[in-house]
Amino acid sequence: EPEVTQTPSHQVTQMGQEVILRCVPISNHLYFYWYRQILGQKVEFLVSFYNNEISEKSEIFDDQFSVERPDGSNFTLKIRSTKLEDSAMYFCASSRQVRIDTQYFGPGTRLTVL
Amino acid sequence: AQSVTQLDSQVPVFEEAPVELRCNYSSSVSVYLFWYVQYPNQGLQLLLKYLSGSTLVESINGFEAEFNKSQTSFHLRKPSVHISDTAEYFCAVSHASGGSYIPTFGRGTSLIVHP
Repeated sequence: EPEVTQTPSHQVTQMGQEVILRCVPISNHLYFYWYRQILGQKVEFLVSFYNNEISEKSEIFDDQFSVERPDGSNFTLKIRSTKLEDSAMYFCASSRQVRIDTQYFGPGTRLTVL
Repeated sequence: AQSVTQLDSQVPVFEEAPVELRCNYSSSVSVYLFWYVQYPNQGLQLLLKYLSGSTLVESINGFEAEFNKSQTSFHLRKPSVHISDTAEYFCAVSHASGGSYIPTFGRGTSLIVHP
């Protein structure tokens, strides 16, 4: 069964550094998403991406964040200058349709900012 | 705006016992409701969903949830749990029509099944 993959599984970085989290969505999916979960808190939507542009984003997704689909398979989330409060689990998801119940999630990348 | 409350952060239970994981939501419009499960080191997987029709929905592994509009709840139940049901369970809500389909999640309930 096809699955969404994410690398790395755990990333440790120093405050102020740039990080890139990588995702490989399911190959025939058209919609891509990033979510995050701070430890002990809710899973929060960050951004959705379709047709090579952002289709929706939350208040969390400020100028420090950017997304890119650099080639036909990868979907990346960049945090330009990490803060301590960016420490969280980041989930990538993809879907063929826009509705939530068709989204397939990756296993997540745990980002730790020191 | 919509929100989801999962009242229990952790639910310990013995194998073969029944379990209920609680979920309450608030929304000013009609909603779709979902339960996701996350096993260790895996992504979130859709467990079951309510879109319309029968208010009782079931999963293939014995879980069920009932949409109760008057109580704005979507509690998840299983009459007899297995060790393999140990996982994190997330309730989510999204708009049923118009607006954004982007879901709002609860903070999750950790189900721990003891032998």
